[in-house]
Amino acid sequence: DGGITQSPKYLFRKEGQNVTLSCEQNLNHDAMYWYRQDPGQGLRLIYYSQIVNDFQKGDIAEGYSVSREKKESFPLTVTSAQKNPTAFYLCASSMVSGTGAFYEQYFGPGTRLTVT
Amino acid sequence: SQQGEEDPQALSIQEGENATMNCSYKTSINNLQWYRQNSGRGLVHLILIRSNEREKHSGRLRVTLDTSKKSSSLLITASRAADTASYFCATDAPGNRDDKIIFGKGTRLHILP
Repeated sequence: DGGITQSPKYLFRKEGQNVTLSCEQNLNHDAMYWYRQDPGQGLRLIYYSQIVNDFQKGDIAEGYSVSREKKESFPLTVTSAQKNPTAFYLCASSMVSGTGAFYEQYFGPGTRLTVT
Repeated sequence: SQQGEEDPQALSIQEGENATMNCSYKTSINNLQWYRQNSGRGLVHLILIRSNEREKHSGRLRVTLDTSKKSSSLLITASRAADTASYFCATDAPGNRDDKIIFGKGTRLHILP
């Protein structure tokens, strides 16, 4: 079964702790993305990667970090520097067209992070 | 940076009726995509329409694109309870040299039994 998985589905952390969200895909996609979604809002891009060992900041990268050591994996770390980390986090992947976003994105089921 | 904006923000219709959602964007695009999100779930891709296309169909879905007005519409015909979800349009970013897309805030569709 090809797809994209995120774990865990729910995550609870105390303020001041770093936390890492997992994202794995077996679709053989080169591009992977992390989005944040707040209640009643659209998706905002945190980081994206178009190739292994390379990634770019999105619109709201402050307080987050990523790595892309393997094609299949793109973990996101929410650091203690992120002022308001409680949100729904979505990971996605796609083929790469190079320009113009010609391919659809495939999404994981999401991780709901609650920081208290 | 928001490119697409959906209208209306929320829509409630009776089962069996048609639902129309609109998306407007600010700058020229290469592609526009529509996604569906059921509550608490990931997004599912519905349709991608390229800038040189005017209309696309997929089952009960019909998407139109008017690049002169910088707008798109998603029509769902003969709605069903299972169509209750949020619907998002997404466009490639201005001056895009990669594959990132920008999402609007979505239309929340509720199908009444």
